[in-house]
Amino acid sequence: DVKVTQSSRYLVKRTGEKVFLECVQDMDHENMFWYRQDPGLGLRLIYFSYDVKMKEKGDIPEGYSVSREKKERFSLILESASTNQTSMYLCASSLLDGGLYEQYFGPGTRLTVT
Amino acid sequence: GENVEQHPSTLSVQEGDSAVIKCTYSDSASNYFPWYKQELGKRPQLIIDIRSNVGEKKDQRIAVTLNKTAKHFSLHITETQPEDSAVYFCAASVGDNNDMRFGAGTRLTVKP
Repeated sequence: DVKVTQSSRYLVKRTGEKVFLECVQDMDHENMFWYRQDPGLGLRLIYFSYDVKMKEKGDIPEGYSVSREKKERFSLILESASTNQTSMYLCASSLLDGGLYEQYFGPGTRLTVT
Repeated sequence: GENVEQHPSTLSVQEGDSAVIKCTYSDSASNYFPWYKQELGKRPQLIIDIRSNVGEKKDQRIAVTLNKTAKHFSLHITETQPEDSAVYFCAASVGDNNDMRFGAGTRLTVKP
């Protein structure tokens, strides 16, 4: 069974704080993804990574950065959190060619920025 | 870039009726179309998928159809049950097959 875990289920941060969201998968998947989920907007891709130290921008990368130092771990970083980054954040992983295979999602992190 | 539109945004049906959710996509190179179900408070999970060399796929009460010419695909749920109530997302692969784009989701409510 693929397992994708995220470091926190709920997180409350203040405006301007640096925020780290961690994601770990245990299936040796090459691809990892970060999405944010907002009502009426579905799942929007922030960044994805197809290999260690590789990253690609998704549709809404502004205000975010990512880090992939190890294959199993993909971190999303909010350099200076803002209230419009309050959202549910979902991490996912898949085999290479992530557009051709099922993505396995983590449980999500609900981030509130006050 | 790829754009995936999903309709309707909410759908309410009576138990036992059928439900249909439709999606359109813009990238003619897309060739993988999964559907995910997200129950309240849980992670999205794949329920069915279809590849571009197939026009229809069925799995018990769930079916997906694909029209590549018109660039649309649909999810059909027959004999709906209350446990089918969830948010459903369609998705389409992006041309280089490294990632995919999701629709905005459909909240399906099945009334007992």
